[in-house]
Amino acid sequence: EIVLTQSPGTLSLSPGERATLSCRSSQSVSSSYLAWYQQKPGQAPRLLIYGASSRATGIPDRFSGSGSGTDFTLTISRLEPEDFAVYYCQQYGSSPPALTFGGGTKVEIK
Amino acid sequence: QVQLQESGPGLLKPSETLSLTCTVSGGSISNFYWSWVRQPAGKGPEWIGRIYSSGSTNYNTSLKSQITMSVDTSKNQFSLRLTSVTAADTAVYYCARGYSYGYYYMDVWGKGITVTVSS
Repeated sequence: EIVLTQSPGTLSLSPGERATLSCRSSQSVSSSYLAWYQQKPGQAPRLLIYGASSRATGIPDRFSGSGSGTDFTLTISRLEPEDFAVYYCQQYGSSPPALTFGGGTKVEIK
Repeated sequence: QVQLQESGPGLLKPSETLSLTCTVSGGSISNFYWSWVRQPAGKGPEWIGRIYSSGSTNYNTSLKSQITMSVDTSKNQFSLRLTSVTAADTAVYYCARGYSYGYYYMDVWGKGITVTVSS
């Protein structure tokens, strides 16, 4: 079973700063099957990035994803007030088909 | 615009069976995977399993013995059945659409339904 480890657990930053979130996998993951989600309190997760680096429909270009193999990164170039939330990475493995989520990174206002 | 809505009981007793339904509106249930994801309070999401519109299923191996998923294309609905629930099954349960053409991600989510297991 693939385990995704996200770091840091909490990131304390100010609006306008850059946020860099890490997602490391216990095994190599196909980039096509790595996604990032944003979740705010009381809401469902919202798809941000799929295929490791493609932005979902309507996602601002301050969000970007990168990485391959076992190391993936979500970057928010300049934090807006609405970006303070919890972020999860998720991978899909095909043998057998299964999805796993990372433990999440909370981006909080400093 | 596709929307998903979960429905079902919010409170169960230990050992009972949880039955949830997700209704898909604004689009067809055909040719997509449909997942259930749950999230205990203060924790990350956990994938429960998925069903394709044809009825083919894949389940989380840790829950496999408890889970049955089904789909009713005539009603544009899919369902989750979780047997022998315990307090550990208390969570917000979400249904979500899975996009599987060259990638795999969940792009449309329901608002979630809170399920509490308590005697």
